[in-house]
Amino acid sequence: DAKTTQPNSMESNEEEPVHLPCNHSTISGTDYIHWYRQLPSQGPEYVIHGLTSNVNNRMASLAIAEDRKSSTLILHRATLRDAAVYYCILRDNSESGGYQKVTFGTGTKLQVIP
Amino acid sequence: GAVVSQHPSRVICKSGTSVKIECRSLDFQATTMFWYRQFPKQSLMLMATSNEGSKATYEQGVEKDKFLINHASLTLSTLTVTSAHPEDSSFYICSAEGASYNEQFFGPGTRLTVL
Repeated sequence: DAKTTQPNSMESNEEEPVHLPCNHSTISGTDYIHWYRQLPSQGPEYVIHGLTSNVNNRMASLAIAEDRKSSTLILHRATLRDAAVYYCILRDNSESGGYQKVTFGTGTKLQVIP
Repeated sequence: GAVVSQHPSRVICKSGTSVKIECRSLDFQATTMFWYRQFPKQSLMLMATSNEGSKATYEQGVEKDKFLINHASLTLSTLTVTSAHPEDSSFYICSAEGASYNEQFFGPGTRLTVL
């Protein structure tokens, strides 16, 4: 079962910031929070990931709650190309020499309004 | 970032035939590859996990004799849908993970339509 909860859909106006929430109340101490997005008819694309501290990259920012039970993906200026399904996923990166299955939930479908 | 390709991107076949889908890691060695299936308006469902040189591990409910997975090298995994039927029509996506990465890199997907 998916270990994260996200709203089914959200809307944003173009060029405005978007805050996509994710709840993960059962997160363990070694779980990293990963975000992927999937554009229509394409494979998922990595967006960002973090453990405890907030993270920034060229695509987005990730704000992680102090208790780590929730996080928020922040797109600073939404463009039409950001319209996609955004998936929040927990992944234990601490295991060495092994792999970690990724379980996708239903994600949040982001609609960007021109 | 690392690049994963899939071939073909789209395939249409007749019921009863077999279809092979290739997944390649282009610029890194993939110790593990994953195969997913996605039906319209649904999320990705993991089908199986394969490690180079060993048998794939299938998720519950996925028929291993119908969905044959071969991971013969560190850059190539193949999924063969045997005796395909219309209900196998779906979007098949692979992902790959290398020893030096902490994330999976996904291919662009293969749209299979069985007539």
